[in-house]
Amino acid sequence: EVQLVESGGGLVKPGSSLKLSCVASGFTFSSYGMHWIRQAPKKGLEWIALIYYDSSNKYYADSVKGRFTISRDNSKNTLYLEMNSLRSEDTAMYYCAKLPYGWGQGVMVTVSS
Amino acid sequence: DIQMTQSPSFLSASVGERVTLSCRASQNINKYLDWYQQKLGEAPKLLIYNTNNLHTGIPSRFSGSGSGTDYTLTISSLQPEDVATYFCLQRNSWPLTFGSGTKLEIK
Repeated sequence: EVQLVESGGGLVKPGSSLKLSCVASGFTFSSYGMHWIRQAPKKGLEWIALIYYDSSNKYYADSVKGRFTISRDNSKNTLYLEMNSLRSEDTAMYYCAKLPYGWGQGVMVTVSS
Repeated sequence: DIQMTQSPSFLSASVGERVTLSCRASQNINKYLDWYQQKLGEAPKLLIYNTNNLHTGIPSRFSGSGSGTDYTLTISSLQPEDVATYFCLQRNSWPLTFGSGTKLEIK
């Protein structure tokens, strides 16, 4: 069974940085592309980034391109999202996902002064 | 980007009723369409993948169909535990895009 556990969220000020982690288990992490998806409070879902199984390719939504970086460490079964120049509109629950089958429970990021 | 339009945005139906939710893509997505259920305070849960494949453990009252730009999620007999918001996701091309959701309630 796919299990994904995110961590690293919190309350930060505009312009600051934060790094999210997602530890995977229950499947061969190094064989699958992984995604980050976010959901602003009481809003819909927004896909924000994908990394291939071997880190050879990365894709980003325009809303985060140039500010966020997705990465992974297959030796640690861990996915990361480094977020820089955070804005109030980045406030959301952030989910890591092995689409379409499994999602983590999410981690909240709040950007506010 | 492919736009995903879900309808209706809100639906109230009775227990036992057959319910149909719709998702329309702005271009052909080649059946790369998934349906998710999200209950209040929880992460989305996969119901159907690639248009019509029922995910493991999902009750058979859920089914999916469609092709091209038009896709449907059907609940054959609505149950109280089906109260949730339902989202579609297209995985045909980047960026992946979600529908805005259908909030389903019991009448």
